[in-house]
Formats: sequence, structure tokens, C-alpha cells
Amino acid sequence: EIVMTQTPLSLSVTPGQPASISCKSSQSLLQSDGKTFLYWYLQKPGQPPQLLIYEVSNPFSGVPHRFSGSGSGTDFTLKISRVEAEDVGVYYCMQTLQLPWTFGPGTKVEIK
Amino acid sequence: QVQLVQSGPEVKRSGASVKVSCKASGYNFVSYGISWVRQAPGQGLQWMGWINTSNGNTYYTEKYQGRITMTTDTSTSTAYMELRSLRSDDTAVYYCARVISFWGQGTLVTVSS
Repeated sequence: EIVMTQTPLSLSVTPGQPASISCKSSQSLLQSDGKTFLYWYLQKPGQPPQLLIYEVSNPFSGVPHRFSGSGSGTDFTLKISRVEAEDVGVYYCMQTLQLPWTFGPGTKVEIK
Repeated sequence: QVQLVQSGPEVKRSGASVKVSCKASGYNFVSYGISWVRQAPGQGLQWMGWINTSNGNTYYTEKYQGRITMTTDTSTSTAYMELRSLRSDDTAVYYCARVISFWGQGTLVTVSS
């Protein structure tokens, strides 16, 4: 099973400031066709998770431009260019390269 | 628009079974698989498994094998997840998702002894 880790596990951010979350996988998420199966989600309080970024760096439909993803192989980063109050919640990375699909432990983001 | 609407909350006794439904709309149901994910109170997300809606093939994580069955009814575009021999630590919100993109609203299953 591919193990996903995230740092930090919690983050307190001033509105308007940037934020960054790291996700590492226990093995490369690069498939032979060149695709990398790493996804980012945000779960706002009391809501189901919502997909933010697919395949490392592709924003899902309707996701604000302030969210971006980068990385390769086993190291990935989600960046929020300027945090807004509505960005509070828990951010999860997930891999779908290999069964079973696995999530990271989550990073809780709160506003200062 | 793509929507996944799940059945309502359930309260079950230990040892019982629960069957959660997930009705899809807004897309061709058999073109995308359905995943099931659970979230215990205050905990993270746990992927439980997946069903191929076009042929019914399933994958269950080892943790649930022997206790879980995922099925679909393509005539109503509905997916089902049945979990048997419930224990108190099965108390959680259960989500269905279109593969991993669009999610249902979640179904709270409470297991009491």
C-alpha cells in the first residue's frame, strides 16, 4: 500500500497571506504513460470533500485561481496564493496510482 | 449538473447490517466507477473500495473484505454499499463519489451496542 504523508498537520494563516502544504508518497506516483495520479481535496466543516486539483497540477472545474499544485514523483505541494476566510478546512492529498487508493492524514487550515 | 444523492442517516445495533444508497444524475452512470469513502468522527478519510458501474467488478480494501458488498442498479443509476456485522467503530459518515471527483453529501451510520 502506498502511504501518504502531509506536513504540516495544521496551519494558521493570516488572510491575504500565502500558504503551502506538502504531501509525500512512499513510492512514485508516476505512471508509464506520463500521468501522475496525485489529487488534492478540501473538506470544509460539515461538508463532503471537494476536488481542488487533479493529476498534480490541474485545477478542477470552478476552483479559484489562487489554488495551485506542483511536484513530481513522490513530492507534491499545494499552494494558496492568498488565503481567504472561505479556505478554512482540512486539505487532503490522495493517490490513485495503485490499489488501494490512499489519502494523506489531512492538514487543518485555520484563519488567524 | 452531476449530482450524487445518498440515503438518510441510519442507527444500527452491533452485529446488524446497513445498506447505503447513492443515486447519481447528470451524467452517464455506467461511464464512471463509484468509490466509497468513510470518515469516523473527527478522523480523516478512508477509501473503502470501488465498483465498476459498467460491469459490476469490485475492489474492496483488505480491511473490509468479507463484510462489504458494493452493487449497482443501472436502471435507476444507483449504487449501493452494504456493510455487515457492524461494530461500534463502524460509526462514521459514509460517502460515495464518482470515481474521485464528485461526491455525495454523506450518510451518517451510527452503531450502538
